[in-house]
Amino acid sequence: EAGVVQSPRYKIIEKKQPVAFWCNPISGHNTLYWYLQNLGQGPELLIRYENEEAVDDSQLPKDRFSAERLKGVDSTLKIQPAELGDSAVYLCASSLNRGFSGELFFGEGSRLTVL
Amino acid sequence: GNSVTQMEGPVTLSEEAFLTINCTYTATGYPSLFWYVQYPGEGLQLLLKATKADDKGSNKGFEATYRKETTSFHLEKGSVQVSDSAVYFCALATSGGSYIPTFGRGTSLIVHP
Repeated sequence: EAGVVQSPRYKIIEKKQPVAFWCNPISGHNTLYWYLQNLGQGPELLIRYENEEAVDDSQLPKDRFSAERLKGVDSTLKIQPAELGDSAVYLCASSLNRGFSGELFFGEGSRLTVL
Repeated sequence: GNSVTQMEGPVTLSEEAFLTINCTYTATGYPSLFWYVQYPGEGLQLLLKATKADDKGSNKGFEATYRKETTSFHLEKGSVQVSDSAVYFCALATSGGSYIPTFGRGTSLIVHP
């Protein structure tokens, strides 16, 4: 079974440029998460999707960040314009449901460097 | 709100040494507790979990016991291997938090031959 796939693995951009990250969750997983991981810190939730509906997006900086999950499968996270402080690893995870198992399956992450 | 506090790393050990990584938590309600591990170049993966007080989660020689009285979930292994070198994240999830895991900052473990 394929795991969570993210791309690109690495991205280097100049500040004020746009950037997009893509995530394909495990087949059949209806819940998708985007997490932000700063260096030396644990993952912090940005947004959670239940199928195509965005829920729990209170931590997403909506002035520059946007996300979508069309058709309830793969998802895109966009930053426009990027700032120096956005340099971090963006993690995508999926789960079969948001019940009590609590087990998330993570991709390898997309490492963003903003110069 | 929910929060997790982990001991700072890196933790550096020789092969076959005993490992303890401390984790304490603050939560509203009765959380489920987890340890995730991130090997170099890989995504986070669930190592073990415990869903109620006094439960012991175990996997790959690692163990952690859910201690409600001390709000702790310390990770232990009796004899570490070089291949255990990774970053370990303690996490919790509650029904009030929609079962979305809240993670600690991670503890890096380095095991030398």
